[in-house]
Amino acid sequence: QVQLQQWGAGLLKPSETLSLTCGVYGGSLSNHYWSWVRQPPGKGLEWIGEVNDRGHTKYNPSLKSRVTISGDTSKNHLSLKLNSVTDADTAVYYCARNGGFSVADWGQGTLVTVSS
Amino acid sequence: QSALTQPRSVSGSPGQSVTISCTGTSSDVGFYDYVSWYQQYPDKAPKLIVYDVSKRPSGVPDRFSGSKSGNTASLIISGLQAEDEADYFCCSYAGGDYYLFGTGTIVTVL
Repeated sequence: QVQLQQWGAGLLKPSETLSLTCGVYGGSLSNHYWSWVRQPPGKGLEWIGEVNDRGHTKYNPSLKSRVTISGDTSKNHLSLKLNSVTDADTAVYYCARNGGFSVADWGQGTLVTVSS
Repeated sequence: QSALTQPRSVSGSPGQSVTISCTGTSSDVGFYDYVSWYQQYPDKAPKLIVYDVSKRPSGVPDRFSGSKSGNTASLIISGLQAEDEADYFCCSYAGGDYYLFGTGTIVTVL
């Protein structure tokens, strides 16, 4: 089973850019879609977007203007960038592997706090 | 696009069955047979337990089952066990290349 390991800055100031990376181990980026999902503290899940191994992306319309998701097949890494963050972007961010139209495998999650 | 609507909480005694509803619209739950369900323990990542409305991944007990009628999907937990106490989220493909999650349901085993 594929293992997903995430890393990135956990504390940001308003207006900064959130940047997270997800390493894929025990599997390949090829032939899959990969998602990012977030969860504000004590709240529900929100789908951010996805990318496939050919770089084709889809984004949540509510975040589309600020988000970039990409994949690096040479490093087997995924990345998430969200610019102009505010307090509302404080959340645990998960990278994940899609299985068809569901999210099959999840990373451990990274808490990102936005605070001045 | 709003989150899919789930009851805030449901509860049951060990051995009983509980049903969690997930209500969307004719543009998401009602249109696509791509509803999935996730179980989440505190401070843990979610785990996929049902996909494509009623299919179970390998290793998920058959106590968990899914169904759909109109704009509402349901997760049924039969023979409730203490370990089933967790948060549960539904998710539906919503067309337009995006997905909607539900508001989440806390399951309490009495």
